[in-house]
Amino acid sequence: DIQMTQSPSSLSASVGDRVTITCRASQSISSYLNWYQQKPGKAPKLLIYAASSLQSGVPSRVSGSGSGTDFTLTISSLQPEDFATYYCQQSYSAPQTFGQGTKVEIK
Amino acid sequence: QVQLVQSGTEVKKPGASVKVSCKASGYTFTSYGINWVRQAPGQGLEWMGWISAYNGHTNYAQNLQGRVTMTTDTSTSTAYMELRSLRSDDTAVYYCAKYSSSSPLAGSLDYWGQGTLVTVSS
Repeated sequence: DIQMTQSPSSLSASVGDRVTITCRASQSISSYLNWYQQKPGKAPKLLIYAASSLQSGVPSRVSGSGSGTDFTLTISSLQPEDFATYYCQQSYSAPQTFGQGTKVEIK
Repeated sequence: QVQLVQSGTEVKKPGASVKVSCKASGYTFTSYGINWVRQAPGQGLEWMGWISAYNGHTNYAQNLQGRVTMTTDTSTSTAYMELRSLRSDDTAVYYCAKYSSSSPLAGSLDYWGQGTLVTVSS
């Protein structure tokens, strides 16, 4: 199975900050990497697919980059609604594994 | 608009089975797969498997092989996930999610159901 490792596991940030979350795959997954946002008690929501494509309706302050084994999710100016947990997921091979999550909290 | 509506909360005893439904609307059901993902309390997301709504082909997580069965009913655009021989560590919220591709890989989970809490307790 491909292991997905996110860092950091949690972070504290202020509104307006630039936030970057990293996801590393245990082997190359090309660009088959997706990012999700989950708020407490809610289902996850797709933010980024294929490493860098913005899902419809997601604000442009959210972006993704990377290929191979190293990927990043960036929020250019953190807004109150961005405080949540973020997960990466690889869809290169089965099982489609998720990272352990990164919780973004208010500083 | 795309919607996935799941069945309600379940409480089961160890050793029992549970069957969760996921009714899809707003898109051509047979053109995309359905994935199932679960989340234990306070934990991360665990992929359980994929089913093609076109031909019923499945791909299950190795750790659930033999206990899980995923099916679809194309006449009602509904997907089902049955988990047998339940244990306490199966307690989780179970989500269905539409896959963005007709194939089992290289896609994303673009729409999600609201989740179904399954509690396994004696």
